[in-house]
Amino acid sequence: QQQVKQSPQSLIVQKGGIPIINCAYENTAFDYFPWYQQFPGKGPALLIAIRPDVSEKKEGRFTISFNKSAKQFSLHIMDSQPGDSATYFCAARGGTYKYIFGTGTRLKVLA
Amino acid sequence: DSGVTQTPKHLITATGQRVTLRCSPRSGDLSVYWYQQSLDQGLQFLIQYYNGEERAKGNILERFSAQQFPDLHSELNLSSLELGDSALYFCASSGQGGGETQYFGPGTRLLVL
Repeated sequence: QQQVKQSPQSLIVQKGGIPIINCAYENTAFDYFPWYQQFPGKGPALLIAIRPDVSEKKEGRFTISFNKSAKQFSLHIMDSQPGDSATYFCAARGGTYKYIFGTGTRLKVLA
Repeated sequence: DSGVTQTPKHLITATGQRVTLRCSPRSGDLSVYWYQQSLDQGLQFLIQYYNGEERAKGNILERFSAQQFPDLHSELNLSSLELGDSALYFCASSGQGGGETQYFGPGTRLLVL
């Protein structure tokens, strides 16, 4: 119940494509869902986040879609660029301040 | 640069040994989180401190312990090290107790031989 399942494990898209990364959870007590971007040799950096009372949030080329009834949320990257090549993690925060992370998606955007 | 610093950057040690990892949070942040990142496990939450007090505990082994000092820096102590403890250890900080935005440090890469 404490897991966050993330898919796919890896993704290759052409420049300009729209990669979509999906996450699913079971625990309805989760109240905050951030996405992190991690480049090799660096720590994860917050990209965008959403609360369960919102169905969509957009920041620049990044969009989170949230489906509360299905307990799923996804990250869409519009007009992807080679510089977006990184590992992306979804996460969920429990009521006791614990963050559960997905296993990560390695994205490669081809030039 | 997130403003979170971690030392050392790399650490190589032997099985059975004990090491201490250090983290300095962003100026003004009261919460510190520790995570372990290994290839097959992703990011695992270990423990959170808020203003010197333990706030939440994740999958932290009994051989591991942490503390947050009055100046808010934190240390993660790993003892009786095993090969499987080899991983990247990240510290993150946030301003509020609930920590909506966590700022991650660059990590400490631990290799146990």
